Amino acid sequence: DGGITQSPKYLFRKEGQNVTLSCEQNLNHDAMYWYRQDPGQGLRLIYYSQIVNDFQKGDIAEGYSVSREKKESFPLTVTSAQKNPTAFYLCASSEGANTEAFFGQGTRLTVV
Amino acid sequence: AQSVTQLGSHVSVSEGALVLLRCNYSSSVPPYLFWYVQYPNQGLQLLLKYTSAATLVKGINGFEAEFKKSETSFHLTKPSAHMSDAAEYFCAVSRAGTASKLTFGTGTRLQVTL
Repeated sequence: DGGITQSPKYLFRKEGQNVTLSCEQNLNHDAMYWYRQDPGQGLRLIYYSQIVNDFQKGDIAEGYSVSREKKESFPLTVTSAQKNPTAFYLCASSEGANTEAFFGQGTRLTVV
Repeated sequence: AQSVTQLGSHVSVSEGALVLLRCNYSSSVPPYLFWYVQYPNQGLQLLLKYTSAATLVKGINGFEAEFKKSETSFHLTKPSAHMSDAAEYFCAVSRAGTASKLTFGTGTRLQVTL
C-alpha cells in the first residue's frame, strides 16, 4: 500500500534534548511538508521541500531543522531552541503544484 | 497572502439533520480550496477539493461544497448527518500554480447527537 509513514506515534523527551521525527513516503511525490497542530490553532507550516536537497522555511520554522537527502524521506528535528515543542506533528506529501496533500498519521511529541 | 476563516469552532447537529460547516477565504489570486477531516489522534483525510472546474464539488462520505467567488466562501454540507461524521473538519487554501503549500483554518469540531 502506498502512503506516508510517521514514526513513532508517541514520543516523550526531556526538556533541552533534540529529537528527530521520521517521515517516509512511497508515493513517489516530489513535495513534502511538516505541519504542527495545536488545539484551536489549526495546522501551521514548519518546513517544506519541493525537491531533493532543497527545502524552505514555513511560517514557524524557528527551533526546527529538516533535511531532504532522499525523495522518500523528510525527517524533522525539534531542537532545544524550540520553546514550546509539545504538539502533534503531521507530515504530508504531494505530487507538486495544484495537487492535494496526503497526510501521515502524526507523531504526538510531549516534552517534560 | 491567503487566509481561511472557519466560523464556529464547535457545531452540534442531530443525527439525520443537515450539516453546514462554514469556510471563508481570502486570496489575491484564484485559489484552490480543500476540506479535510480528522478523527482523534489521526492524520488528515481529504474530503473534497475545488480546483477551478465545477463550482459544486462532491466529495467522499456524502459531503459536498460550493465555491462562491462573490461571497469568497466554500461551505461544506451534508444533507443527513451520521454518527460516524463526528470529527474535526479543516478548510484549507493554496495558491493555484504553486506547490501545495496549504494555509489552514482553525478547524470546526462536529458533534452528532442522537
